[in-house]
Amino acid sequence: SQQGEEDPQALSIQEGENATMNCSYKTSINNLQWYRQNSGRGLVHLILIRSNEREKHSGRLRVTLDTSKKSSSLLITASRAADTASYFCATTGGSYIPTFGRGTSLIVHP
Amino acid sequence: EAQVTQNPRYLITVTGKKLTVTCSQNMNHEYMSWYRQDPGLGLRQIYYSMNVEVTDKGDVPEGYKVSRKEKRNFPLILESPSPNQTSLYFCASSFPGGTEAFFGQGTRLTVV
Repeated sequence: SQQGEEDPQALSIQEGENATMNCSYKTSINNLQWYRQNSGRGLVHLILIRSNEREKHSGRLRVTLDTSKKSSSLLITASRAADTASYFCATTGGSYIPTFGRGTSLIVHP
Repeated sequence: EAQVTQNPRYLITVTGKKLTVTCSQNMNHEYMSWYRQDPGLGLRQIYYSMNVEVTDKGDVPEGYKVSRKEKRNFPLILESPSPNQTSLYFCASSFPGGTEAFFGQGTRLTVV
């Protein structure tokens, strides 16, 4: 069964605004990753946060992880039209093979 | 260039006609996996492999087979495709330890 569940399913914002999407999961994890997918193409890795980390930054991306609540959030600051894509969280547990959620579809209007 | 290559990119086939989707990676990754992506369902794991000759079922393995005879290749076999296997398929590979996964470009399969 899918481990991560993203929220919201869809998000529509204006260029320059911040976009926040959340991921909740059910069982204990080794790490959590966020991926981006442009329409119909392969997924591209954005950032990985380990279970003993609480926050991580990469450029305009900020990821938080709360293992007590089994949740993570991805913040994209100062969004651009080029950020329009679907975003997926993926958790890895004992098998270390990522398990994905249903994704959040982000549209950034110019 | 580090990459995961899937072939074919697009395939239309008829019910019951056996097909193979190939996946090859050039990064010497131990882990490889197959996913299918359907609207509203996200990516669901079909099979995965943690090394040569080691494969295991994911969440939706019914109707699929895999093999891992060489480290670089992980083909997905549909022995008797059915219309409910119409989907977008992705192969991915990674090093052990839950590191970044690299994805192929996807194979869009239509079974009529």
